Amino acid sequence: AQSVTQLGSHVSVSEGALVLLRCNYSSSVPPYLFWYVQYPNQGLQLLLKYTSAATLVKGINGFEAEFKKSETSFHLTKPSAHMSDAAEYFCAVDNAGNMLTFGGGTRLMVKP
Amino acid sequence: DTEVTQTPKHLVMGMTNKKSLKCEQHMGHRAMYWYKQKAKKPPELMFVYSYEKLSINESVPSRFSPECPNSSLLNLHLHALQPEDSALYLCASSQSGAGANVLTFGAGSRLTVL
Repeated sequence: AQSVTQLGSHVSVSEGALVLLRCNYSSSVPPYLFWYVQYPNQGLQLLLKYTSAATLVKGINGFEAEFKKSETSFHLTKPSAHMSDAAEYFCAVDNAGNMLTFGGGTRLMVKP
Repeated sequence: DTEVTQTPKHLVMGMTNKKSLKCEQHMGHRAMYWYKQKAKKPPELMFVYSYEKLSINESVPSRFSPECPNSSLLNLHLHALQPEDSALYLCASSQSGAGANVLTFGAGSRLTVL
């Protein structure tokens, strides 16, 4: 089964700074990849998805991610962090069409 | 309607109780899922229903019993649970089992087993 690994369980940035959350996948075929965000006491919300149409994927709330096959990566970025971006972020891969497997998650903290 | 609604939001039960978690969606999605999420961990898949038939059971103990009465409803029946079953239970739905499945999640039911 395909899997994803998120490097860094906690990331802290200052408000206005660049956000970079790392995700690497293991797959022998082009995978479907996703980034979800989870705010406290809430479910998960889709930020963006990669389905092989374009390597640079733009999502909601100013986030984007770039699929790099040579690096087996799908890192999430945002040019300028807002306090409201503080949350848990999960990278995920679609296994066999009906199974979404999540990475370990990265908690983003934004300092004023 | 683009929501997945889960009830109850919070549930406290003893180890001998029988209770149920409920999930409802009206987006016409034909795949529905139960995930279990422990604190500070990612969600773990428990069950998948595709076109109202159980298609995936991730070796979940029989004290958890899923049910899909129709294409809009998904239940999780709970019986004789253990304290380690305390977690956030997330329901999700997607259009189908093919292609890039975008899951829409509910807010979850937080279960505490005493």
